[in-house]
Amino acid sequence: DAKTTQPNSMESNEEEPVHLPCNHSTISGTDYIHWYRQLPSQGPEYVIHGLTSNVNNRMASLAIAEDRKSSTLILHRATLRDAAVYYCILETRTGANSKLTFGKGITLSVRP
Amino acid sequence: ETGVTQTPRHLVMGMTNKKSLKCEQHLGHNAMYWYKQSAKKPLELMFVYNFKEQTENNSVPSRFSPECPNSSHLFLHLHTLQPEDSALYLCASRPANAIVGALHFGNGTRLTVT
Repeated sequence: DAKTTQPNSMESNEEEPVHLPCNHSTISGTDYIHWYRQLPSQGPEYVIHGLTSNVNNRMASLAIAEDRKSSTLILHRATLRDAAVYYCILETRTGANSKLTFGKGITLSVRP
Repeated sequence: ETGVTQTPRHLVMGMTNKKSLKCEQHLGHNAMYWYKQSAKKPLELMFVYNFKEQTENNSVPSRFSPECPNSSHLFLHLHTLQPEDSALYLCASRPANAIVGALHFGNGTRLTVT
């Protein structure tokens, strides 16, 4: 399975933008890039996904490098509620089946 | 509210007990997943069901036995567990055969084996 590499942790200030990096140098041409986050005492929550082009939704933006070997999740204005573990994941499809393999993620702390 | 409900939220069981974890979704999804999350470790995929058929068993010990009676319900039957099986067990669902679709997770069952 193609793997992702993320820093262990990052700190940010409230109301400032946050850029969470992810390396996935062994990504294949058909792998989608997903981001999930997990708040304390909850299951993971979908944030965003993309294939080649940059993506925006109400939660975040996803910037994908031209060679697709890295990506960055952008939170435009961090809030205290954004403190969580953020997972960068590759979705590998084999026929009709797909697999999402989680790594350790990056722990984001937000300072008031 | 994620649309995926897991019960019970907490479970304490002895090594000789038999118990079951339940997962229910009414999102119309046809793919359901069991993940295990141990302390300080990444989520581990355990089982995948597509249209009630098991399509993935990630080398899970036989003391864990999944059951998917219909597309809305998923069970994980537990027997003769070990203390190292203590973890958060997460259920997830998504549309099967979608080009790509978000996984919807429940909030998990916190299992403690004594």
